[in-house]
Amino acid sequence: DVKVTQSSRYLVKRTGEKVFLECVQDMDHENMFWYRQDPGLGLRLIYFSYDVKMKEKGDIPEGYSVSREKKERFSLILESASTNQTSMYLCASSLYLANEQFFGPGTRLTVL
Amino acid sequence: DQQVKQNSPSLSVQEGRISILNCDYTNSMFDYFLWYKKYPAEGPTFLISISSIKDKNEDGRFTVFLNKSAKHLSLHIVPSQPGDSAVYFCAASAKGLDEKLTFGTGTRLTIIP
Repeated sequence: DVKVTQSSRYLVKRTGEKVFLECVQDMDHENMFWYRQDPGLGLRLIYFSYDVKMKEKGDIPEGYSVSREKKERFSLILESASTNQTSMYLCASSLYLANEQFFGPGTRLTVL
Repeated sequence: DQQVKQNSPSLSVQEGRISILNCDYTNSMFDYFLWYKKYPAEGPTFLISISSIKDKNEDGRFTVFLNKSAKHLSLHIVPSQPGDSAVYFCAASAKGLDEKLTFGTGTRLTIIP
């Protein structure tokens, strides 16, 4: 059974803290994605990666960075968390860019 | 510029009746369309897809219809069940160009028992 796992289901951080969200997939997929989901705004793409050490900005990259040192692992970093980054963060992977994506369970991040 | 639009943020349907969720797109290069279902506090799960060479694809209670000339797709759920209550996202991609999926904003479906 294909699997995408995320390091935490729920996370509470303080404004200004550095936050790491980690995602691991076991499907040997080339492509990995980070989204945030907010009510009424749908799924907004933050960053994606099509290969190890390669990354591309999505629609809302400001305030975020990513790291992909290994094929199976894609990390999202909030350098200095702010309250407007309170959201549900979803990681996904896919074999080809245009194919269906498989999602992890999500991390509900609250920044106080 | 929202290339994939779901104009109804919410929809309520009686249990046992048909649920119809709609999605419009603007990019004529899109040739692959998907529907995802998302429960609260869970990641979206793939439901059904359709390629632009077809106009209909069916999987059990779920049918997706594609009208290329109108740039419109719809998801029909028959009969609707309480477990179908979720947020539904449509997504599209230009598979021929290997471009990533673009998602709509979602429609919250509530099935009334």
